[in-house]
Amino acid sequence: EIVLTQSPATLSLSPGERATLSCRASQSINYSLAWYQQKPGQAPRLLIYDASAWATGIPARFSGSGYGTDFTLTISSLEPEDFAVYYCQQGGTWPPWTFGQGTKVEIK
Amino acid sequence: EVQLVQSGGGFVQPGGSLRLSCEASGFTFSSYWMHWVRQAPGKGLVWVSRIERDITTYADSVKGRFTISRDNAKNTLYLQLNSLRAEDTAVYYCAVGYNIPEGFFDYWGQGTLVAVSS
Repeated sequence: EIVLTQSPATLSLSPGERATLSCRASQSINYSLAWYQQKPGQAPRLLIYDASAWATGIPARFSGSGYGTDFTLTISSLEPEDFAVYYCQQGGTWPPWTFGQGTKVEIK
Repeated sequence: EVQLVQSGGGFVQPGGSLRLSCEASGFTFSSYWMHWVRQAPGKGLVWVSRIERDITTYADSVKGRFTISRDNAKNTLYLQLNSLRAEDTAVYYCAVGYNIPEGFFDYWGQGTLVAVSS
């Protein structure tokens, strides 16, 4: 089973600041990684898949990068609606499909 | 427009059973892998099961207790939950990778709560 480790657990930032979230896989998954945003009481929303491809309707301030075992989600300038929990998920080696434990981006 | 509308769920005692449903619309349901993902209260996302045509896959934690199925004529996905345990308490989501590679999920149901308690 591929284990995904996200860091940090919590990121405290102000609107307008840059957010950098990390996801590390326990073994290589090539570029088979996705990022999701989840707000309280809502289903997850796909942001990025295949490490760097935008899902439909996702603003360009969200970007993904990485390959192999190390991946990054960058939010270039935080908007008020971006404060949420972010999960990475691997689709490279399955079953099972696995998720990271999440990074909470909170308002400083 | 792709939509996944869930029903079922509720409160059940340990050892009990429930069936969850997920009605799909806006796409050719029979052509897609469908998944169930769950989220325990205050916790992260955990993949539960997948069905591809009639090929099924399960997480080890639910194997032998949960059964995923689909009725392509009704465009509906099901998850039968048997021998429920307290640790199965979670919001359950159905999900599909419609406009993206299989294995990622761009459409999700609204979620349904399963609460297992005596």
